[in-house]
Amino acid sequence: EVQLVESGGGLVRPGRSLRLSCTTSGFTLGDYAMSWVRQAPGKGLEWVGFTRRKTFAGTTEYAASVRGRFTISREESKSIVYLQMNSLKTEDTGVYYCTREGVGGSNRFDYWGQGTRVTVSS
Amino acid sequence: SSELTQDPAVSVALGQTVRITCQGDSLQNYYASWYQQKPGQAPVLVIYGQNIRPSGIPDRFSVSSSGNTAFLTIAGAQAEDEADFYCNSRDSSGNEYVFGPGTKVTVL
Repeated sequence: EVQLVESGGGLVRPGRSLRLSCTTSGFTLGDYAMSWVRQAPGKGLEWVGFTRRKTFAGTTEYAASVRGRFTISREESKSIVYLQMNSLKTEDTGVYYCTREGVGGSNRFDYWGQGTRVTVSS
Repeated sequence: SSELTQDPAVSVALGQTVRITCQGDSLQNYYASWYQQKPGQAPVLVIYGQNIRPSGIPDRFSVSSSGNTAFLTIAGAQAEDEADFYCNSRDSSGNEYVFGPGTKVTVL
């Protein structure tokens, strides 16, 4: 059974850093691209960024709103994907979801974690 | 990155059919995927590509497209279909993803 479990959320001051983890199970992490998606309170979904699968060297892409501040990485041996968030802003507040991208064409996020809440406030 | 637009809200009588639209330039090159989100829950993939539904998703959900617009149709809407629905696709560069703003579906 595929499972994605996020952790690491919490309350953090503006300008500080936080690292989220996504612990995966039920599949081989290296075979899949993984994305982070966030949702501000009462708002819609926003794609944050992703790491490509091992075939593509795990390279990353980011939304303009986080580029240069956030970094996604993966630790294949532990089946974990990380989201390192630096220089946090109040507008980064929200629930952060880890998602798996399905393979075989037709882009989609086929599995989602339950989310971890990040609050950026002074 | 390119944008996707959706109607903010639609309503449908129980058992009737509703169509939700998602519009954006990138949809001329990439399929949309659709997600259902109920309050307090994570989104769930309901349909993608050329009408592919994950296991467990009822066949009353279907998709179609025309030009730069993708459509999600719920035929015979049920009370449990009441939720926010989001479309998603690659952006025009193909290197990023973008979500539509979401459509709140109310079943009357």
